[in-house]
Amino acid sequence: DQQVKQNSPSLSVQEGRISILNCDYTNSMFDYFLWYKKYPAEGPTFLISISSIKDKNEDGRFTVFLNKSAKHLSLHIVPSQPGDSAVYFCAATSGTYKYIFGTGTRLKVLA
Amino acid sequence: KAGVTQTPRYLIKTRGQQVTLSCSPISGHRSVSWYQQTPGQGLQFLFEYFSETQRNKGNFPGRFSGRQFSNSRSEMNVSTLELGDSALYLCASSKQSSSYEQYFGPGTRLTVT
Repeated sequence: DQQVKQNSPSLSVQEGRISILNCDYTNSMFDYFLWYKKYPAEGPTFLISISSIKDKNEDGRFTVFLNKSAKHLSLHIVPSQPGDSAVYFCAATSGTYKYIFGTGTRLKVLA
Repeated sequence: KAGVTQTPRYLIKTRGQQVTLSCSPISGHRSVSWYQQTPGQGLQFLFEYFSETQRNKGNFPGRFSGRQFSNSRSEMNVSTLELGDSALYLCASSKQSSSYEQYFGPGTRLTVT
């Protein structure tokens, strides 16, 4: 049972436009959500996170939105840059030290 | 500050063999978690160690085991390797067991033939 789902395996966006990556979860006990970025041959890098008590968190070009009623979160990247091309994973945890990751979305930013 | 290091980076084994992977966390980090990454499955949690104690375990068979040493370095062992164990094994460290920010190493690519 996949508790965290990223239904789009890939996404292509033009440089300078907005990239929107989506993530759905099923476990209402999750109280913290994270986004990681992964380049080939490297481990995932922490990008941004959000607590379940918030509905938005912003860090520079990256904004994460959380819709608890829909059990949905999204990552917005504005403006998108070619260096943003990577695989993005969302993850969720309920504080039990166990992280559940999605299957990832490969973002390609076209110059 | 040095990041998380994993050795070896690449490994080829045959079915039935066993393998040990090593992870050195960031200095000062006491929690180490292990993940398996396969195409289409994302990152699947294996286990987490904090202060030499296993704090949590994912849904993997007993062939997968781990341990943590007093210097926080961790090893993961897989016995009786199967073809399906071919994957990228990632280690992540964090300061505290309850810390939400994990820092990942580059991974060990294991190929079982």
